[in-house]
Amino acid sequence: TQLLEQSPQFLSIQEGENLTVYCNSSSVFSSLQWYRQEPGEGPVLLVTVVTGGEVKKLKRLTFQFGDARKDSSLHITAAQPGDTGLYLCAGSNNNNDMRFGAGTRLTVKP
Amino acid sequence: NAGVTQTPKFQVLKTGQSMTLQCAQDMNHEYMSWYRQDPGMGLRLIHYSVGAGITDQGEVPNGYNVSRSTTEDFPLRLLSAAPSQTSVYFCASRYFYEQYFGPGTRLTVT
Repeated sequence: TQLLEQSPQFLSIQEGENLTVYCNSSSVFSSLQWYRQEPGEGPVLLVTVVTGGEVKKLKRLTFQFGDARKDSSLHITAAQPGDTGLYLCAGSNNNNDMRFGAGTRLTVKP
Repeated sequence: NAGVTQTPKFQVLKTGQSMTLQCAQDMNHEYMSWYRQDPGMGLRLIHYSVGAGITDQGEVPNGYNVSRSTTEDFPLRLLSAAPSQTSVYFCASRYFYEQYFGPGTRLTVT
């Protein structure tokens, strides 16, 4: 059983559509991160959230940390083919032990 | 500034063989870690180090050894390879919340 559950596991949409992916846990985290990974490469950090209820925006990407710091969401507005990739969330309660979800594989078709 | 580098990119081993996966970073980060990534499992922490001479176990340490003689290098040793160790291995270095991953080593054990 994953400590962090990500949904959906797969998502295929058309260019221009909006989407939201989720990262849920029964555990409380002091920080949560989102990464994007492309085939054959390592994950690349997108954002870190540390405060319950925090919302961060990165161009067309909006990240939210749940009030109870157990869950997070990533919303993409007007998705583009360049957004295609594996989106991973990772939670930590001390900086030495970070747990990852299995990821959401997003495909944006032109 | 190369970031985090890993060698080799690909490796095939026979059961029982040993080998060392190399990882180096040029960002002077104290914290380094090794993860393995398996389909449907996300990334799982194998070992980590908070500085030269200091290492500790992560979530899945069995079958792996590490050492940290310098800030720059953090090699991962497979003592006696098993088919269950077939995976993609990522090294990462971190400064506070900023975590950087290497490009990965794809290991197959037959």
